Amino acid sequence: QSALTQPPSASGSPGQSVTISCTGTSSDVGGYNYVSWFQQHPGKAPKLLIYEVTKRPSGVPDRFSGSKSGNTASLTVSGLQAADEADYYCGSYGGSNNLVFGGGTKLTVL
Amino acid sequence: EVQLVQSGAEVKKPGESLKISCQGSGYSFSSYWMGWVRQKPGKGLEWMGIIYPGDSDSRYSPSVQGQVSFSADKSINTAYLQWRSLKASDTAMYYCARRGYEKLDAYDVWGQGTMVTVSS
Repeated sequence: QSALTQPPSASGSPGQSVTISCTGTSSDVGGYNYVSWFQQHPGKAPKLLIYEVTKRPSGVPDRFSGSKSGNTASLTVSGLQAADEADYYCGSYGGSNNLVFGGGTKLTVL
Repeated sequence: EVQLVQSGAEVKKPGESLKISCQGSGYSFSSYWMGWVRQKPGKGLEWMGIIYPGDSDSRYSPSVQGQVSFSADKSINTAYLQWRSLKASDTAMYYCARRGYEKLDAYDVWGQGTMVTVSS
């Protein structure tokens, strides 16, 4: 399975919204409603932000939201804060208990 | 508190063997799939595969199939990632991550990572 496609970088000013895309195929993103998003700060382990396309684990602010259309999923971060500056990865179920990650997007808060 | 604690950093030579561990606590270890994720220096996350500690059923990504093996000892709530012959290209941070109960994409608890360095 090939990695999902994410833009390498994204940016926004504090208070603004930014959307990160994640494009796969009908064998992963488009075929299942199992898309997740992870946040990783430098030197830290990844943290689950979104699962099953739109669901947030407890403790994740509602400023983080997910959506999907066809083979492309998106993560929107609203009300950008300095602490949101991190790398973001999407992940999609690909059948047979497999997962495939995106290449990652570095989010810069200007 | 649900947590995963991984073994410490390793420095090995090419051709050596290695087994790193991931111990879970605060939940029913045998009942949750455990994934392994590789992150090479300066690169993104790569899903390596997954094991169900209850019966050691495992799935491997094509990129690591035959290169590594997963195991688990449910009596001590510990999952393992093992290499028989390390290569320099295995140098990476390795994370274990619990997959949420009956959730196919929700890796909700992560270990702190084990850095493996392979160098002659």
